[in-house]
Amino acid sequence: NAGVTQTPKFQVLKTGQSMTLQCAQDMNHNSMYWYRQDPGMGLRLIYYSASEGTTDKGEVPNGYNVSRLNKREFSLRLESAAPSQTSVYFCASSEFLTYEQYFGPGTRLTVT
Amino acid sequence: EDQVTQSPEALRLQEGESSSLNCSYTVSGLRGLFWYRQDPGKGPEFLFTLYSAGEEKEKERLKATLTKKESFLHITAPKPEDSATYLCAVPPTQGGSEKLVFGKGTKLTVNP
Repeated sequence: NAGVTQTPKFQVLKTGQSMTLQCAQDMNHNSMYWYRQDPGMGLRLIYYSASEGTTDKGEVPNGYNVSRLNKREFSLRLESAAPSQTSVYFCASSEFLTYEQYFGPGTRLTVT
Repeated sequence: EDQVTQSPEALRLQEGESSSLNCSYTVSGLRGLFWYRQDPGKGPEFLFTLYSAGEEKEKERLKATLTKKESFLHITAPKPEDSATYLCAVPPTQGGSEKLVFGKGTKLTVNP
């Protein structure tokens, strides 16, 4: 039982490049989330998915897109990376109608 | 606007020196308060959920308590392995999903 897994662990991009961050969970959770964590800013919600086939914007969605591929997988795409997107990205999941979220190990992204 | 404020931002303790961390919130109709521990380079790890004023939860040297406007995480006789950033979170006032609003955390360092 791996919980929440994320790939890659580290990534360096040049401004304007695109990439997709992958997240998968094996806990049969309905809800999944993408956060970014920056020094002094705490965890901020980018997008979330309450169930397979649905996605909604969080606090800081600009510059990102998401896909809920199936119940297990939720990906985050940066279409044209900017230095302001340098951050640590966390994926999380939770059971339906509960607030206890379980987090992955994170992806450290640097955009130069 | 929903806010979660944690204090202090950082706390240094000697091993065995007990203290408390504070989490205050402004959401209406609290539907739970969640404490997480985050080690450097890792994702947050769920610790406790508190639902009503007066409720207490304990785990090893940690005890979480809840009042109508704040929560405390009491650390009794801490050890160096308790060093981490402690985050608290609450569901936002606007319901309809399992989102959480996070505080910026308290970084705890316990010196041997």
